[in-house]
Amino acid sequence: EPEVTQTPSHQVTQMGQEVILRCVPISNHLYFYWYRQILGQKVEFLVSFYNNEISEKSEIFDDQFSVERPDGSNFTLKIRSTKLEDSAMYFCASSEGAADEQYFGPGTRLTVT
Amino acid sequence: QKEVEQNSGPLSVPEGAIASLNCTYSDRGSQSFFWYRQYSGKSPELIMFIYSNGDKEDGRFTAQLNKASQYVSLLIRDSQPSDSATYLCAVKGDSWGKLQFGAGTQVVVTP
Repeated sequence: EPEVTQTPSHQVTQMGQEVILRCVPISNHLYFYWYRQILGQKVEFLVSFYNNEISEKSEIFDDQFSVERPDGSNFTLKIRSTKLEDSAMYFCASSEGAADEQYFGPGTRLTVT
Repeated sequence: QKEVEQNSGPLSVPEGAIASLNCTYSDRGSQSFFWYRQYSGKSPELIMFIYSNGDKEDGRFTAQLNKASQYVSLLIRDSQPSDSATYLCAVKGDSWGKLQFGAGTQVVVTP
C-alpha cells in the first residue's frame, strides 16, 4: 500500500541553524501539506502546495519557513533560523485532490536546543 | 476563529462495548469531515471520512454527520484494547485542502 515517507525521523539542531525536513508524498497525489504538532497540543496546519506553488499558508508559516518540490518525488520544508518554539513533530501529508482525504507520513521530531 | 471541539477524555470503554466520540465545528461552510486515530508518539492515521449528512459505516466504525447541527460523531463497535488511542476530528472548509483539527479524545479500552 502506498504511503508517505519522511526523513529524518528525528532531527536535533541548535537555535539559529537551518533545517530541511524531507517528505516523499504518495506518487499519484497532487496536493501536499505540512502540519506540526507541539507536544500535547493540536495538529496545526502550516502550508498546502499544489502545482509547484503554495496554495494556502497559516500565520505560523512566516518568512522563516519555505517549501519546495525540488524534483518529481520529494517535498521539503525548510526552516531558515530555528527557534526553541519550533520544537515539534512535523507531519507531511498528501492527497489526490484538494477535497480528498489526506494521508500522513510518520513525522519528523524536531528538537531545537 | 473557526473551531473544532472535542471532549478530551479519557473515555474509558470496556472491551467489547461501543465507544461514542463527538465533535462539533463552528464553520458552517465546512465540506468534509475526517476521523484520524493517533497512537502516542505516532502520526495521525485516517480511519473514516464523511461528506454527506447521515451515517457511513466501515467495519467496526460508523461516522455520523449532521451539518445542520454542525456535529460529527464516530462510533467504534466491539471495542478492542488496540483501539486505545487518541481520536482526532478534522474538518475541511472550502479552502485548498487545509484541515482544522480538534484536540482529540483519548479512548482507553479496558479488558
